[in-house]
Amino acid sequence: SQQGEEDPQALSIQEGENATMNCSYKTSINNLQWYRQNSGRGLVHLILIRSNEREKHSGRLRVTLDTSKKSSSLLITASRAADTASYFCATAPTYGSSNTGKLIFGQGTTLQVKP
Amino acid sequence: EPEVTQTPSHQVTQMGQEVILRCVPISNHLYFYWYRQILGQKVEFLVSFYNNEISEKSEIFDDQFSVERPDGSNFTLKIRSTKLEDSAMYFCASDRGQKGNQPQHFGDGTRLSIL
Repeated sequence: SQQGEEDPQALSIQEGENATMNCSYKTSINNLQWYRQNSGRGLVHLILIRSNEREKHSGRLRVTLDTSKKSSSLLITASRAADTASYFCATAPTYGSSNTGKLIFGQGTTLQVKP
Repeated sequence: EPEVTQTPSHQVTQMGQEVILRCVPISNHLYFYWYRQILGQKVEFLVSFYNNEISEKSEIFDDQFSVERPDGSNFTLKIRSTKLEDSAMYFCASDRGQKGNQPQHFGDGTRLSIL
């Protein structure tokens, strides 16, 4: 698989349920970020977790990072119809001590939340 | 909240023509990026730019591509002789630097259609 692969590719849930998306990557990273993209729009930053962090919360979002397994998960609790979007993980790879800020994106998970 | 703005939102160009995509990053940001997203595919890194020079570029960013920061506010991507396969959404992004441990802020993109 390639850097930043998400699963599932598509997820359909009812409003109020929780949604969990997973991301795996291959190289050493500086940080991992999650983004949301509504249809035809740009990417909106959701949360950044650094390589030395294991869990981070922001509102209804919870992100975990397991660097030993090279994987991350995004949990959206109490989902709303407005959460319907595509969600991407993006990794910032490290090159020794340098880092240009480049992000490598996964294919994304398309989330549909039914009212 | 400050935003990254991109113009035009949609550009239609004949194959072989030059095209310039324009971006105004957030004013106090130091790193600038271009990404592209071919329809139905993942977001791909093209180039990062810092201190008036390219800090990293991908294999996609060949001699047909160039970037410029002509003044204190604009950041442009030029494709010298467009090909059909250049059709994609092009996203500009910026961040405050600090070796990549900052969230990147994306514009809404320019949809480039090559005929």
